[in-house]
Amino acid sequence: RKEVEQDPGPFNVPEGATVAFNCTYSNSASQSFFWYRQDCRKEPKLLMSVYSSGNEDGRFTAQLNRASQYISLLIRDSKLSDSATYLCVVRDDKIIFGKGTRLHILP
Amino acid sequence: ETGVTQTPRHLVMGMTNKKSLKCEQHLGHNAMYWYKQSAKKPLELMFVYSLEERVENNSVPSRFSPECPNSSHLFLHLHTLQPEDSALYLCASSQTRTGYEQYFGPGTRLTVT
Repeated sequence: RKEVEQDPGPFNVPEGATVAFNCTYSNSASQSFFWYRQDCRKEPKLLMSVYSSGNEDGRFTAQLNRASQYISLLIRDSKLSDSATYLCVVRDDKIIFGKGTRLHILP
Repeated sequence: ETGVTQTPRHLVMGMTNKKSLKCEQHLGHNAMYWYKQSAKKPLELMFVYSLEERVENNSVPSRFSPECPNSSHLFLHLHTLQPEDSALYLCASSQTRTGYEQYFGPGTRLTVT
């Protein structure tokens, strides 16, 4: 099993729809979890941290399922500007980035 | 300036050249990182510095040589690179080495000819 695994996509989603990504991780001792967003030819930027109790920031909701070792990102009412690659990051004694999931929001 | 800055933003070098990439963070962080991002590959962590001490070196070839003179600056010295070293090199910083999110610079797009 890969350390951090994401569906590479691309996800082609009409504007206004809801889209969800999952990310699985192999190390049950992992401590911290994050979602980053990376636009084409730009650097990754922190989208949100993922807390055990789940957290929400506007249209974005992140959840952690320790028992099944995955984190999820839900985007509601998607906008054209949400088109990007979404990177899952898991941290134990080292930082591991997933390959990312490409999202295309269609007008 | 704020955040994490990197220079140069683009670099083309021959295999026999020597060049250096520079990273500066204005966030008061204690940890800094070098990553390599190649097309269709995940981010690869190269080096980690914590309080100016190298704490991680992930099997990076010796043609890449990092330097951290203080907690705000990080360099990556390059010499006798190979064409497969062409990639986006990203610098990042975080408050401490463990537990905190990282902030990335805009990257240096390196082409080795």
